[in-house]
Amino acid sequence: AQKITQTQPGMFVQEKEAVTLDCTYDTSDPSYGLFWYKQPSSGEMIFLIYQGSYDQQNATEGRYSLNFQKARKSANLVISASQLGDSAMYFCAMSLEYGNKLVFGAGTILRVKS
Amino acid sequence: DTGVSQDPRHKITKRGQNVTFRCDPISEHNRLYWYRQTLGQGPEFLTYFQNEAQLEKSRLLSDRFSAERPKGSFSTLEIQRTEQGDSAMYLCASSPPGLRTDTQYFGPGTRLTVL
Repeated sequence: AQKITQTQPGMFVQEKEAVTLDCTYDTSDPSYGLFWYKQPSSGEMIFLIYQGSYDQQNATEGRYSLNFQKARKSANLVISASQLGDSAMYFCAMSLEYGNKLVFGAGTILRVKS
Repeated sequence: DTGVSQDPRHKITKRGQNVTFRCDPISEHNRLYWYRQTLGQGPEFLTYFQNEAQLEKSRLLSDRFSAERPKGSFSTLEIQRTEQGDSAMYLCASSPPGLRTDTQYFGPGTRLTVL
């Protein structure tokens, strides 16, 4: 069965610094997708970044990058140059090629300090 | 290009009442998903449609829950005889035709409070 583990319930980061949010996953399927979503206090889930299991390079989207280590089954999110607006809950999620759903971790709440 | 929309955004109801939520996916997306999120938790999958066919239902979707997507466009989620435990955020997402690992885009959610 699929499982996503986010071990950091909460993180603090100073404005303009980089922060890494941890995510490990478990699946025996060879083909899967890994996602990070941001959920501000308003509740909407905002897609940030995607990594496919066969992608050779780590995904990047602006200030977001995904540190994909397949052998360790980890997919950590790196946010560079943190901004106050980055304060939110962050969820790691996984989908399978032969599945019909996203499985989410418990989330990490990030607070950016000025 | 409009995103996924959900209506209503908030619903307060009394225990035992029926409620219905609506989701309008992104227009070219043929896949539609419903999730439920309780406070402090990640979203949990409820059900999935490909076009008008409901292809998967979670065990979380009890007999009191029913979802439809009659014309393969918008979808409705109905909860009958609501219970306090149904209080949650109900999220809808859609994704385009193609790989099942394609990105799902979420709507703003419907927050249900059962008194």
